[in-house]
Amino acid sequence: QVQLQESGPGLVKSSETLSLTCTVSGDSISNYFWSWIRQSPGKGLEWIAYIYASGMTHSNPSLESRLTMSIDTSENRFSLRLGSVTAADTAIYFCARLTVMSGNYFFDFWGRGTLVTVSS
Amino acid sequence: DIQITQSPSSLSASVGDRVTITCQASQDISNSLNWYQLKPGVAPKLLLFAASKLHTGVPSRFSGSGSGTDFTFTISSLQPEDVATYYCQEYGDRDVLLTFGGGTRVEIK
Repeated sequence: QVQLQESGPGLVKSSETLSLTCTVSGDSISNYFWSWIRQSPGKGLEWIAYIYASGMTHSNPSLESRLTMSIDTSENRFSLRLGSVTAADTAIYFCARLTVMSGNYFFDFWGRGTLVTVSS
Repeated sequence: DIQITQSPSSLSASVGDRVTITCQASQDISNSLNWYQLKPGVAPKLLLFAASKLHTGVPSRFSGSGSGTDFTFTISSLQPEDVATYYCQEYGDRDVLLTFGGGTRVEIK
């Protein structure tokens, strides 16, 4: 069974950079796309970006200018960096596996999520 | 960009009731829609993909239908463990922007 675990600071200061890592177990990270999704307090889900083992990425245009994603196939983990954060970036951040199959895109395995609060 | 309108935002039903949630896309997305279940502190679960295909291990009381712009998610007989927030998610945009609906919170009366 594929399992994902998010890790990183739960508190980030405004204008600084949010950094999170997702460690994958139960399968090789090399064969799928891997994604970040967030849920702001009292709001719905927002897809952030995804990355493939090759390092190819695709991001939500609303966040793209502040985003960096990376992947480490030797450690079976991938990471997110979001710069110049504000209170609007306070959210639960989920990592998830994005399976692409016969033209269908779906997030079939998720982590439990980690709350990141941006403080002033 | 494709917009997804999900309704209702919340509902309350009795155990055994049939529950229906709808998602409407701002343009034709064929059958490019998934449904997820979120519970606090638990990893979210994929329930259905491609509008109507049940993901592995998902109980058959969950079903989905629709194509084009209008989609429906149904729980045929609501169970206490189904208390959760449900989201639809589209992938019909040619730029693959993976947009979620606003969510529906399901509670037991």
